[in-house]
Amino acid sequence: DSGVTQTPKHLITATGQRVTLRCSPRSGDLSVYWYQQSLDQGLQFLIQYYNGEERAKGNILERFSAQQFPDLHSELNLSSLELGDSALYFCASSATSGGALGANVLTFGAGSRLTVL
Amino acid sequence: AQTVTQSQPEMSVQEAETVTLSCTYDTSESDYYLFWYKQPPSRQMILVIRQEAYKQQNATENRFSVNFQKAAKSFSLKISDSQLGDAAMYFCAYRSAAYNFNKFYFGSGTKLNVKP
Repeated sequence: DSGVTQTPKHLITATGQRVTLRCSPRSGDLSVYWYQQSLDQGLQFLIQYYNGEERAKGNILERFSAQQFPDLHSELNLSSLELGDSALYFCASSATSGGALGANVLTFGAGSRLTVL
Repeated sequence: AQTVTQSQPEMSVQEAETVTLSCTYDTSESDYYLFWYKQPPSRQMILVIRQEAYKQQNATENRFSVNFQKAAKSFSLKISDSQLGDAAMYFCAYRSAAYNFNKFYFGSGTKLNVKP
C-alpha cells in the first residue's frame, strides 16, 4: 500500500456521461498530480495541485476538471465522455512543491481504470 | 520544456543476467532530480531509484544501480541478477530542483521481458 488512495478502482460508463475520480494523498503530502495512461502508452500529465491551488497544467481537455479540497483530497471530473477517454487514471502525491529530493518523490496510487462503452 | 527519451521500446534479458535500460534528457538546468519507476503487470507505479544531479556518485538500491552522466545528459538503469519479478515497464522521469517548478517529465517507457 503506497498510502495514496484512489476510488473507484474500476468504472464502466457510457459515452456522454460524467464521472468523478477521487484521490486521497499520502499523509502529510500537500501536492497532488493527475496522470492519464491509455493502453500500452506512457503517462500523460493532466494537472497538479498544491495545498488547494492549481500549480501546473498539462494536456488536460476542457471536458476535464479537477480540484483539491481543504482536507487535501482531490477529485478529477471527466464529462461528455468519449471512447478515447478509456484509460487508467493515476493520482500521485508528493510532500512539497520544492525542496529536498525526498520531498519531491512521486508516490502513486493504484489507479482508476475507466472504460467508456 | 524538458524532454525525456527512452530509445528502447522493449528489451529482453535472461534470468540472472544483467541488463541496462537507457534514458536521455534535455535540459538547460544544472540542478534537477532523476527517477526510474517500474510498472509491473499490476500497473502500479513503483519508485525504483532516484538521483540528485548535484551528486556525482551514482545511486544504488540493491540490484538496481544507475549510470548518471551529467555532461551527456544520460541516466541509465542497470539491473543485475535479473529476476522474473523484474519484468515490467520502466519509466525514466525528470524533475527540476527549482523551487515551485512542479512538473515531472516522463519518458515513453521500456518494456523489460525476463526469460527463465
